Amino acid sequence: GQNIDQPTEMTATEGAIVQINCTYQTSGFNGLFWYQQHAGEAPTFLSYNVLDGLEEKGRFSSFLSRSKGYSYLLLKELQMKDSASYLCDAMDSNYQLIWGAGTKLIIKP
Amino acid sequence: EPEVTQTPSHQVTQMGQEVILRCVPISNHLYFYWYRQILGQKVEFLVSFYNNEISEKSEIFDDQFSVERPDGSNFTLKIRSTKLEDSAMYFCASSETSGGNTGELFFGEGSRLTVL
Repeated sequence: GQNIDQPTEMTATEGAIVQINCTYQTSGFNGLFWYQQHAGEAPTFLSYNVLDGLEEKGRFSSFLSRSKGYSYLLLKELQMKDSASYLCDAMDSNYQLIWGAGTKLIIKP
Repeated sequence: EPEVTQTPSHQVTQMGQEVILRCVPISNHLYFYWYRQILGQKVEFLVSFYNNEISEKSEIFDDQFSVERPDGSNFTLKIRSTKLEDSAMYFCASSETSGGNTGELFFGEGSRLTVL
């Protein structure tokens, strides 16, 4: 079956760095997405990886290893507004998104 | 910046009633989606729509649900005979491509459905 695994909840300190891991199993693979979702709001796009390696975009970076079925989202210089759920989603061979349950990130001062 | 808009933002209905949720996708996008998220749970795929027909649907999307693109701009989700467990946030999304590029989804703000 198709599956996404990511931690349910993580806590980090303002100004620090946090890494949110994700493993996936899909029928075929057409990329790995990370979305951010604040409580009560719609998901917003953060990143897309389809090749192995690290993609950096400001304070956020995303890494992919296709051979391991593994990705992580790295958030640097954490701010209170980064408190949100982070959704890891893999796109299968039919271009359908398989959604993870999300990791709730709590930032403490 | 172009955005996906959804109406209503919140609808309260009685069990057994029909509900229509409306979405206006981004104008040059070709792929449209409905997702739902029950409070505190994961986002669940309902259906995708391309070229005026359903391209994929999940197990959740049974005969109770239907989608329509009645004109060139609106994309609607109809829920017949609503049940208590249909209470959720319903997100519409659109994308320019299904694959290739980034396939990035742009989400609307959601329509919260409360079934009493």
